[in-house]
Amino acid sequence: AQSVTQLDSQVPVFEEAPVELRCNYSSSVSVYLFWYVQYPNQGLQLLLKYLSGSTLVKGINGFEAEFNKSQTSFHLRKPSVHISDTAEYFCAVKKNTGFQKLVFGTGTRLLVSP
Amino acid sequence: DAGVTQSPTHLIKTRGQQVTLRCSPISGHKSVSWYQQVLGQGPQFIFQYYEKEERGRGNFPDRFSARQFPNYSSELNVNALLLGDSALYLCASSFPGTGEETQYFGPGTRLLVL
Repeated sequence: AQSVTQLDSQVPVFEEAPVELRCNYSSSVSVYLFWYVQYPNQGLQLLLKYLSGSTLVKGINGFEAEFNKSQTSFHLRKPSVHISDTAEYFCAVKKNTGFQKLVFGTGTRLLVSP
Repeated sequence: DAGVTQSPTHLIKTRGQQVTLRCSPISGHKSVSWYQQVLGQGPQFIFQYYEKEERGRGNFPDRFSARQFPNYSSELNVNALLLGDSALYLCASSFPGTGEETQYFGPGTRLLVL
């Protein structure tokens, strides 16, 4: 079975500062990795995904993530955050063969203040 | 193109009642998945359907059921509602066969059980 750990439940940061949201996963098989963002009272929006190839993945809104197989991590980064980035961020994994369901972490709330 | 749509957006029920939630996938997508997101937690997988067949089921009681129609839309039914069923119910669609099956989410239906 797969599992995801998001170590920080909440990350406060000032506007224009860099941010890193941490994600570690556990799986006995190869997986695909995803980051989704959820704005208040909305559904989930795909930020970026890692399927294969380059370990540095770029997504929407200036976010990027790096897949590290040895550390089983997929941390999300942004060099300069905006107030509008305030939201809940979810890391998710899915095995890359057979039946595929998403397994989510508990989420990290990013709070950007002026 | 329209994204995943869900109806209704909000719903209030009382314990013991039954509820039906509806989902229309992105045009061309043939697979629909349902997730439950309890406040403060990550989404939990309930069902996945492809070509009207159930592909997988999460750890939910038999009170939860679903089906998929020939036009690939889907319904989630929950019988004998409990207070603990209060949650945001998310539907996601994907296009199997591409190998990665990225899931795209709708805005969700917020269910409150009193």
